[in-house]
Amino acid sequence: DTAVSQTPKYLVTQMGNDKSIKCEQNLGHDTMYWYKQDSKKFLKIMFSYNNKELIINETVPNRFSPKSPDKAHLNLHINSLELGDSAVYFCASSQVLDSYTIYFGEGSWLTVV
Amino acid sequence: DAKTTQPPSMDCAEGRAANLPCNHSTISGNEYVYWYRQIHSQGPQYIIHGLKNNETNEMASLIITEDRKSSTLILPHATLRDTAVYYCIVRVWGEYGNKLAFGAGTILRVKS
Repeated sequence: DTAVSQTPKYLVTQMGNDKSIKCEQNLGHDTMYWYKQDSKKFLKIMFSYNNKELIINETVPNRFSPKSPDKAHLNLHINSLELGDSAVYFCASSQVLDSYTIYFGEGSWLTVV
Repeated sequence: DAKTTQPPSMDCAEGRAANLPCNHSTISGNEYVYWYRQIHSQGPQYIIHGLKNNETNEMASLIITEDRKSSTLILPHATLRDTAVYYCIVRVWGEYGNKLAFGAGTILRVKS
């Protein structure tokens, strides 16, 4: 069983479209995250949720809206996609908010054309 | 937040120990050193962490200098599957919880 799974794995879309990436964790963790890895391979946190409550929002444009229907799911919706949004997006989870171990999904490769 | 400096790349022969250095000269007293790795096309994977004592687990050993300004991750018997980018991270724990700040890391190439 995959601990943190995200779909789709690959997504190619046109500028201006709206798209969503879904994430689910079956580890029973309280905290979930979205990270973005850009073309230079730097990995940066975007959001974190703890028990469905938004904890971290790292100056991400309003076009990015995370939604956590329950603590096992954290979806990322992106409006009006721009070329600069092309990146790999990683979902992750940890047992609690300050756990030292974060479990990452395999990533979603988003290409905006 | 303390910053880390790592060499951009290293090579290691298969079966030999891989020693990956990390400098974190501005680390504060309550900050931990974490190591993660990212194998190509996968998400990052936790390896080990420590505060000031040396640590060992099934994957690796972590040696932290007495002044805590640098550390070394040791993979005792590197295999081809250990080829990855290794990130040394000083934990940033802000008011709103756990934020890991990943730098450029070290590309470790294990060669047969």
